[in-house]
Amino acid sequence: GAGVSQTPSNKVTEKGKYVELRCDPISGHTALYWYRQSLGQGPEFLIYFQGTGAADDSGLPNDRFFAVRPEGSVSTLKIQRTERGDSAVYLCASSPYTGELFFGEGSRLTVL
Amino acid sequence: GDSVTQMEGPVTLSEEAFLTINCTYTATGYPSLFWYVQYPGEGLQLLLKATKADDKGSNKGFEATYRKETTSFHLEKGSVQVSDSAVYFCALAPYTGANSKLTFGKGITLSVRP
Repeated sequence: GAGVSQTPSNKVTEKGKYVELRCDPISGHTALYWYRQSLGQGPEFLIYFQGTGAADDSGLPNDRFFAVRPEGSVSTLKIQRTERGDSAVYLCASSPYTGELFFGEGSRLTVL
Repeated sequence: GDSVTQMEGPVTLSEEAFLTINCTYTATGYPSLFWYVQYPGEGLQLLLKATKADDKGSNKGFEATYRKETTSFHLEKGSVQVSDSAVYFCALAPYTGANSKLTFGKGITLSVRP
């Protein structure tokens, strides 16, 4: 497709479980970002990839959160031992060198 | 650190009314400034941007001017339409051009009545 694709669109899990969220960026975009958006808040930066490497992971809240982009395209955000406070919409964006971000529709995570 | 402050919402207007949504920022150096919009059921998309002081970004009848002296980037539209109903986010990037992370404000919901 032409845009950023995120799967699943909705994920309900139980506290303590492991979750993976996938992002398929726009073809050719070198940069990929993960953001988290809680209800009533703006998107909060988590991590940014330039190619395969994490250029800035300063927004990851703790070591339960991890993200990979092994081939410089698709990225997976991994959350271990989920907590209720992890419930949010997780947004992925990709960008060409111009710096404009193109966002996906997000993955809504609910931790019961 | 960098931060963006948006006026409290929500905002409800009648069609053809004038719109102003306030945004101020705190940043070191020379940030770029953005307005993103999220229409119902859609992802965030760039509405307009400005990369240096006194630049005016414009798109779809919306305008915003980068004011370094007041650290502001207020969004305006002369005559809103029902189709402008959405959530609007002000954002900044610490520098121009190269990829860098955006810092967003909380967003404000705009509802336009027919």
